[in-house]
Amino acid sequence: SYELTQPPSVSVSPGQTATITCSGDKLGHKYVCWYQQRPGQSPVLVLYQSHKRPSGIPERFSGSNSGNTATLTISDTQVTDEADYYCQTWDITLGVFGTGTKVTVL
Amino acid sequence: QVQLVQSGAEVKKPGASVKVSCKASGYSFTSYDINWVRQAPGQGLEWMGWMNTNSANTRYTQKFQGRVTLTRNSSTSTAYMELTKLTSDDTAVYYCLRVGYDDYSHWFDPWGQGTLVTVSS
Repeated sequence: SYELTQPPSVSVSPGQTATITCSGDKLGHKYVCWYQQRPGQSPVLVLYQSHKRPSGIPERFSGSNSGNTATLTISDTQVTDEADYYCQTWDITLGVFGTGTKVTVL
Repeated sequence: QVQLVQSGAEVKKPGASVKVSCKASGYSFTSYDINWVRQAPGQGLEWMGWMNTNSANTRYTQKFQGRVTLTRNSSTSTAYMELTKLTSDDTAVYYCLRVGYDDYSHWFDPWGQGTLVTVSS
């Protein structure tokens, strides 16, 4: 089965840039979504098609996908960005989530 | 606004079944498919299956084949997830999600509020 691997945690200072990676075989050939899950809440879509932002998501969130790695970048990180982040793609017709990354803003 | 509202928390004994509902509002129910995802306590997200709300066709990940059934009632805009032969490993929050799409890809937006299913003797 297809697997997506993320670093367990990323720490960033307020105002700095957080970079979260998601690795999978030939992932660059697929579209990737990213979801933000704040503590005790349901996940929220922050990027789709690897780099597109839904309405209401700040421009600080950006993404790229090439080779075997997709990247979510949070610029000018805010305290409110502290959350778990999950990448997601499709293995033909089956959904696959990454292992998740906890972003700590301190 | 587009909303998915799920049924309340459940406590079940091992071997029992659970059926979680997901009522959609704010859009045409049969125009978007519904997927289900679960999250065990302190763990990551796990995709379970896909239901075409128009045709009722389904597909499930191998792990849940034979134990999970996705259905819907179009007249009430409600989707259902039934999971049988529960064990303690099925203790998790279960989410329904609407599948957004364009010509190129699919995405999950929005998510329901989640339903905690606890399996305990």
